[in-house]
Amino acid sequence: DAKTTQPNSMESNEEEPVHLPCNHSTISGTDYIHWYRQLPSQGPEYVIHGLTSNVNNRMASLAIAEDRKSSTLILHRATLRDAAVYYCILRGNSGNTPLVFGKGTRLSVIA
Amino acid sequence: EAEVAQSPRYKITEKSQAVAFWCDPISGHATLYWYRQILGQGPELLVQFQDESVVDDSQLPKDRFSAERLKGVDSTLKIQPAELGDSAMYLCASSFSLNQPQHFGDGTRLSIL
Repeated sequence: DAKTTQPNSMESNEEEPVHLPCNHSTISGTDYIHWYRQLPSQGPEYVIHGLTSNVNNRMASLAIAEDRKSSTLILHRATLRDAAVYYCILRGNSGNTPLVFGKGTRLSVIA
Repeated sequence: EAEVAQSPRYKITEKSQAVAFWCDPISGHATLYWYRQILGQGPELLVQFQDESVVDDSQLPKDRFSAERLKGVDSTLKIQPAELGDSAMYLCASSFSLNQPQHFGDGTRLSIL
């Protein structure tokens, strides 16, 4: 399975933007970059995914490097509710490809 | 509240006992997954169903774990006999089809005494 590397933890002030990095230097051409997050005492929640172009949705933006070896999840205005573990996952799109979770980045949001 | 329903929310039992978890996926979702999450780690896939058929159970400890999805809708995961090392969060997820984003339930936290 293609591997991702994320910082163990990050901290942000409320109402400020947050940039969560992910390195994936061994990404293959058909791997999509998926982000999930897990709030305390809840199951993971899908955030966003992309292949090559930057993506935006109501929850976040995903910025993908031109060489695709890294990506950044951007929360435009962090709230206390965004405190969670954020997982960056590579997933192929052919056949049946599982989600392989690492340890993720634990984001703390300070009021 | 998660759209994927799981019960019970918490389960405490003694080792060597049998335990069962139930999951009701989002209506219309053909793919159903069971994960185990040990404290401090990410979820690990145990078994995946496409409709009523098992697609992947390579990580399921089949000597004690079993899973079924008889009518291709809800699913049950069973452990018999439970061991101390089975203490974990058991998560169910569903997706519309293969490789689509997964929607997770809030899990069952299992504690083995």
